[in-house]
Amino acid sequence: QVQLQESGPGLRKPSETLSLTCTVSGGSISSYYWNWIRQPPGKGLEWIGYSYNRGSTKSNPSLKSRVTISVDTSKNQFSLQLRSVTAADTAVYYCAREEKPPPYFLDYWGQGILVTVSS
Amino acid sequence: DIQMTQSPSTLSASVGDRVTITCRASQSIVNWLAWYQQKPGKAPKLLIYKASTLESGVPSRFSGSGSGTEFTLTISSLQPDDFATYYCQQYSSFSKTFGQGTKVDFK
Repeated sequence: QVQLQESGPGLRKPSETLSLTCTVSGGSISSYYWNWIRQPPGKGLEWIGYSYNRGSTKSNPSLKSRVTISVDTSKNQFSLQLRSVTAADTAVYYCAREEKPPPYFLDYWGQGILVTVSS
Repeated sequence: DIQMTQSPSTLSASVGDRVTITCRASQSIVNWLAWYQQKPGKAPKLLIYKASTLESGVPSRFSGSGSGTEFTLTISSLQPDDFATYYCQQYSSFSKTFGQGTKVDFK
């Protein structure tokens, strides 16, 4: 059974970089596409972007200039960096698997991690 | 981006009710649509993909239909475990987008 687990700091100050890691267990990270999605408190879901171990990445145009997503196959992990954060970036951040080449649906999700942006 | 609009935003129902949620896309997405269920404090759970294919392990009281721009999620007989928020998601374009969600609560 594939499991995903997010980790990283739960508090960032405005203008800092948000950095999160998703650890994948129960399967190889090499053959799939790995996504980040976020959900502001009490609101809906927003797709952030995806990455593949061969360097293919794509991100939401609304966030593109601030987002980096990368895959580390040696650790079975992938990561998210979101630069220059503001209070509007406060959200629960989820990592999720996309089984086939994008665009596709998301079949396995992590439990989510709340990141608060506040001075 | 393709915009996804769900209706209603909130639906009050009782155990045993037949429940239908609608999702409309701003342009044709063929049948590249997924439905997820989310409970408070939990991650979304995949219910249906390709508009009508039930994910393994999902009860058969859930069904999906539609194509093009209009889609529905139906719960044939609402169970206590089904009170949750439901989201549709299009995967016709690389920029995946979700509906705003439909909360199913107790009448």
